[in-house]
Amino acid sequence: DAKTTQPTSMDCAEGRAANLPCNHSTISGNEYVYWYRQIHSQGPQYIIHGLKNNETNEMASLIITEDRKSSTLILPHATLRDTAVYYCIVPNTGNQFYFGTGTSLTVIP
Amino acid sequence: NAGVTQTPKFRVLKTGQSMTLLCAQDMNHEYMYWYRQDPGMGLRLIHYSVGEGTTAKGEVPDGYNVSRLKKQNFLLGLESAAPSQTSVYFCASSGQGYSPLHFGNGTRLTVT
Repeated sequence: DAKTTQPTSMDCAEGRAANLPCNHSTISGNEYVYWYRQIHSQGPQYIIHGLKNNETNEMASLIITEDRKSSTLILPHATLRDTAVYYCIVPNTGNQFYFGTGTSLTVIP
Repeated sequence: NAGVTQTPKFRVLKTGQSMTLLCAQDMNHEYMYWYRQDPGMGLRLIHYSVGEGTTAKGEVPDGYNVSRLKKQNFLLGLESAAPSQTSVYFCASSGQGYSPLHFGNGTRLTVT
C-alpha cells in the first residue's frame, strides 16, 4: 500500500510556482521520497527524489520538512505542459514502488 | 540506448485467450516491475523482480504470471484473459540502491 497522502487536485496559474504537498508521516530514517508525474496516458516520468536535504534539479525542487513527515514539490514557473498527475512515493522494503492516486495538477492560462 | 521497451503496444483478446507481454531494458538494471492502470486510477503493482531468476507478488497478482529468465527481460503472462484485465500495462526498471524507476510507454490491452 502507498505510504503517502496527497490532495486529489490542484490548480495553478501559468507562470506561477506550483507547490504540491505530500504527507508521509510513517516514513523511516533511511527511506527516500520520490516524485513522478504522468502526462495523459504516457508512462510516468521521474522528477526528483530526496532523503532529508532539500533537492533541486532542472525540473523541480523538493523541500522535505525537518521531521521528514511531509514534503513539497515545487515547479518554479508552471507551464501548460506541466498539467499532469503528480505522484509522491515512499518505496516499501525491497524497492517496491506503490503509486497512490496522486494529485491532478491543472495549469490555467 | 532505448531504455525500457514494451511489446506489443496494443492488443485485443477474447475472453479465455492467453498472451505474453514483453518488457526489455538495456540499462543493466536489477529491478523490474509490471503495473496496470485502469481508467482514472493510479498505477497498481502486479509483480516485480529484484534480479534475474527472481519474481515476487505485488498488490494485484491474481490472474497473471511472470518470468525473468534473462536480466534484461521481464515477461508478463495472462493464461486465461478476462474482461477485468482490460487495462494499460506499464513496465519499469531501476538500478540498485536508490535509483528511480524508468518506465516504458505502455501496452493497451482490451479483453472482450
